Amino acid sequence: GAVVSQHPSRVICKSGTSVKIECRSLDFQATTMFWYRQFPKQSLMLMATSNEGSKATYEQGVEKDKFLINHASLTLSTLTVTSAHPEDSSFYICSARDRRGGGYNEQFFGPGTRLTVL
Amino acid sequence: QKEVEQNSGPLSVPEGAIASLNCTYSDRGSQSFFWYRQYSGKSPELIMFIYSNGDKEDGRFTAQLNKASQYVSLLIRDSQPSDSATYLCAVKDQAGTALIFGKGTTLSVSS
Repeated sequence: GAVVSQHPSRVICKSGTSVKIECRSLDFQATTMFWYRQFPKQSLMLMATSNEGSKATYEQGVEKDKFLINHASLTLSTLTVTSAHPEDSSFYICSARDRRGGGYNEQFFGPGTRLTVL
Repeated sequence: QKEVEQNSGPLSVPEGAIASLNCTYSDRGSQSFFWYRQYSGKSPELIMFIYSNGDKEDGRFTAQLNKASQYVSLLIRDSQPSDSATYLCAVKDQAGTALIFGKGTTLSVSS
């Protein structure tokens, strides 16, 4: 149980295009999903917290107009990188929190999406 | 600003030895602490979590927490080459929502 998928796993795009990344909780409902970004040899940096049915909360320094987050259902959140540039190339990882809560590890990580912007 | 600090390493140990990974955190109000393992190109996978002072053991892994010193560690006994990875320490903030990650310590176990 507690499986989170991401699609696509890899994407290469041209500078200026937009890329959408999907994060799905496959066997549980997630009221909250988190989007992280990881540059090479760096740690995971939280970009935003996404709550189902409401606007995402962005961390300081993350442009909300550039990184559009939609959490329209209890099993799906999407991150759209608009007008991507080479500096947006990174490993994007989502995690989802089971709506049933409880415990100390209710966040489950997806496998990540490697974005390369040419 | 909340910070989680780890020595980036690399930490090199021979097969069968004990590997000791350390982490300090700045937010004294933090309540729960996590150790993740991350292989290159993969997302993190949870090894252990701990929330009470003292030791918590799970197989070859032991997590140690000292809230007064704001210090958490992970011991790996009988280290195996397959343990070679980056180990991320993460702390859940006071609000109990987001995880704050350290930069990770790279462990290399030689056979």
